[in-house]
Amino acid sequence: KNEVEQSPQNLTAQEGEFITINCSYSVGISALHWLQQHPGGGIVSLFMLSSGKKKHGRLIATINIQEKHSSLHITASHPRDSAVYICAVEGASGSRLTFGEGTQLTVNP
Amino acid sequence: KAGVTQTPRYLIKTRGQQVTLSCSPISGHRSVSWYQQTPGQGLQFLFEYFSETQRNKGNFPGRFSGRQFSNSRSEMNVSTLELGDSALYLCASSLSTLRDTQYFGPGTRLTVL
Repeated sequence: KNEVEQSPQNLTAQEGEFITINCSYSVGISALHWLQQHPGGGIVSLFMLSSGKKKHGRLIATINIQEKHSSLHITASHPRDSAVYICAVEGASGSRLTFGEGTQLTVNP
Repeated sequence: KAGVTQTPRYLIKTRGQQVTLSCSPISGHRSVSWYQQTPGQGLQFLFEYFSETQRNKGNFPGRFSGRQFSNSRSEMNVSTLELGDSALYLCASSLSTLRDTQYFGPGTRLTVL
């Protein structure tokens, strides 16, 4: 069992739909990161969370430390949101990042 | 501010050779981390450098090494290349810790033949 698991692995949505990507982890962490990777490889850091909820534009990230679970929500999805979304957890000692396998999101017009 | 730059962007090597990849962080950033991305294993943490010292290390063999210079620029070296080392190598810089926002470079695509 991987330390970090994401679901779903693949997600196809229609433009305008509300999207949720989930991340579960099995180890103690000090923080959780959500990353976005576009075709060609470029990675952008979206959020870093250690508790609660953060919002940036149409993106919302939440984390429940007790349940070891985080969600990334995209409201009013758009084709430009099509990318791989990756969850990464930072170990309790802050020593490294461990990554989930990623969720491939495709938003059709 | 200029972003994180990595050179070269593409590289082809043969088994047994060694390779050195370079990463220039955002000005003012002192932490540089390296990651390997492959289709099979996804993203994996290689190591992190801060103030010229390796602060953290992932589970990679000793063939993978790195260093950081006084200007925070970092290099990673892979010796005795194997076919399985073919991957996208990404570096990321942050102000001082992994907790800070990581800014990723475009990566170096290494192909080992």
